[in-house]
Amino acid sequence: GQQLNQSPQSMFIQEGEDVSMNCTSSSIFNTWLWYKQDPGEGPVLLIALYKAGELTSNGRLTAQFGITRKDSFLNISASIPSDVGIYFCAGFNYGGSQGNLIFGKGTKLSVKP
Amino acid sequence: GAGVSQSPRYKVTKRGQDVALRCDPISGHVSLYWYRQALGQGPEFLTYFNYEAQQDKSGLPNDRFSAERPEGSISTLTIQRTEQRDSAMYRCASSSPPNNEQFFGPGTRLTVL
Repeated sequence: GQQLNQSPQSMFIQEGEDVSMNCTSSSIFNTWLWYKQDPGEGPVLLIALYKAGELTSNGRLTAQFGITRKDSFLNISASIPSDVGIYFCAGFNYGGSQGNLIFGKGTKLSVKP
Repeated sequence: GAGVSQSPRYKVTKRGQDVALRCDPISGHVSLYWYRQALGQGPEFLTYFNYEAQQDKSGLPNDRFSAERPEGSISTLTIQRTEQRDSAMYRCASSSPPNNEQFFGPGTRLTVL
């Protein structure tokens, strides 16, 4: 199935460092979502973006909806051990014939304590 | 309920058997989605419902897969004559207007022997 290009695939960082990951698509979306998935759990919604150019924060997380509507990035500031997990971007076109999310393959984040 | 629930959490079956996976969405949510997630991948869309109407089933891999949501609440994903390649995590999500953010359940891990 169709998937977004998400990078990096994995990263190891020192606790306290900032993290950045991004997602690109060949097609436009009117909504971008970022999820975090812990082992054995379902994806948990972190941030939702609804407008091109929008910059939204949720605590130490900041995400932006690219102006072309084909990309998005997620930043995590001052990472801590509990940030470990897999982060997925997802694109969505609400109101069209499609109701489904298109997911990236995920960025696996590991933090060295 | 407080969140999306799925049952069973784990299902092991023999090849050729039929299985039924259940999803109980967040109470009052209009839309319900089924996804399949392989190890190391993001979820891939199978089908979705608005109320009891199946809006899109383009992601169902073949005619052994079917889904229903007869009363617009609980949904069942049925896989007939299971094959080993059907082994995966099956995830359900639900959403409602205005934002239509999708909230995921914990998933059902299906193993076909």
